Amino acid sequence: NAGVTQTPKFQVLKTGQSMTLQCAQDMNHEYMSWYRQDPGMGLRLIHYSVGAGITDQGEVPNGYNVSRSTTEDFPLRLLSAAPSQTSVYFCASSRSGGRNEKLFFGSGTQLSVL
Amino acid sequence: AQKVTQAQTEISVVEKEDVTLDCVYETRDTTYYLFWYKQPPSGELVFLIRRNSFDEQNEISGRYSWNFQKSTSSFNFTITASQVVDSAVYFCALSAGTSGSARQLTFGSGTQLTVLP
Repeated sequence: NAGVTQTPKFQVLKTGQSMTLQCAQDMNHEYMSWYRQDPGMGLRLIHYSVGAGITDQGEVPNGYNVSRSTTEDFPLRLLSAAPSQTSVYFCASSRSGGRNEKLFFGSGTQLSVL
Repeated sequence: AQKVTQAQTEISVVEKEDVTLDCVYETRDTTYYLFWYKQPPSGELVFLIRRNSFDEQNEISGRYSWNFQKSTSSFNFTITASQVVDSAVYFCALSAGTSGSARQLTFGSGTQLTVLP
């Protein structure tokens, strides 16, 4: 079981470039989400999805787009990268409902925007 | 709105000492869920525990224990007889509101624990 897989692990972009961070899970989880981690600020929710075809905004959605065409994949798109988007990005997934529901996180993508 | 405060930015202890990491949360919802995650130097996030607001007993797992107190809105984490491998950033997180379950987490800023040999 691979769990939650994120690619790439590292990426350097120039201001204005676009890119897509990939996230895939093989646990058949309905819920997937993206967080960014900045020093001293913990993790903040960017976007989330409760199932294929359904997405919604989190706390810090500006500058990011998402789509969910399959249960397994939840890519995060930066249309025009800015230095303020330099961060570590984590994808997470969970099964729907249940007393023991918890988020499973990927290993993260470290993004630098110059 | 929800908020999680981890006032201790960094803690340093010597191996075998006990250490408590503080977590204070704010929410107006009567049903909510609290979590602790560990982030070792390798960077991944490791789930440690989930506590539901309606489960009031405390929990012990090996050297780890958690003290949930609704009266003070706190969910503190104690490591007994700390080890060097416990060195990590520890995050407390809260999920509440109409989203239900345990998905949209509000994280604290984390506590960097360093255990010295």
